[in-house]
Amino acid sequence: GEDVEQSLFLSVREGDSSVINCTYTDSSSTYLYWYKQEPGAGLQLLTYIFSNMDMKQDQRLTVLLNKKDKHLSLRIADTQTGDSAIYFCAERLGGYQKVTFGTGTKLQVIP
Amino acid sequence: EAGVTQFPSHSVIEKGQTVTLRCDPISGHDNLYWYRRVMGKEIKFLLHFVKESKQDESGMPNNRFLAERTGGTYSTLKVQPAELEDSGVYFCASSQPRGNTGELFFGEGSRLTVL
Repeated sequence: GEDVEQSLFLSVREGDSSVINCTYTDSSSTYLYWYKQEPGAGLQLLTYIFSNMDMKQDQRLTVLLNKKDKHLSLRIADTQTGDSAIYFCAERLGGYQKVTFGTGTKLQVIP
Repeated sequence: EAGVTQFPSHSVIEKGQTVTLRCDPISGHDNLYWYRRVMGKEIKFLLHFVKESKQDESGMPNNRFLAERTGGTYSTLKVQPAELEDSGVYFCASSQPRGNTGELFFGEGSRLTVL
């Protein structure tokens, strides 16, 4: 079955690195995603990783995927106040468009 | 290009009343999804349309919920009669046909409060 779990809250100081973790249960996932939701807005895709990759880097963002442990993480380097938002981990099952989301992690950046 | 739009942004109704939420996907997106988030919980899948057909409605809570997508364009989600536990934010998302990364484009959500 599909189940995506995240911690609910993370607080970091501006300039530090943030690491948001996620575990998922379905090993047939093809894509894993990180979505960002800013206050009063819909979710926007931040980055994604294909299941045959271990790591993906995009400017300040680093995504790590451990398929054996079904663990996904998002690292934000030099975290800024504008990074304050809710971050949702999501998985897409193989051969099907359904996307399953986690609970979301609220990131608070302290100036 | 217009994004996914949802209406209304916020609806407050009493238990037993009816509410209809509307979603206009991005033009040309065959896939349309409804999700719901209850406060502090995960964004839960409700159903998936491919054009006008229901591809997967396994997440629909019960028969008080009815989703339609006549003509394969906009979609409506009707809740009748509404119960207290139906409160939450209803998100609509759309995506392009298969063969891509499956990125979902979300609307801002319709917040439903049932009193």
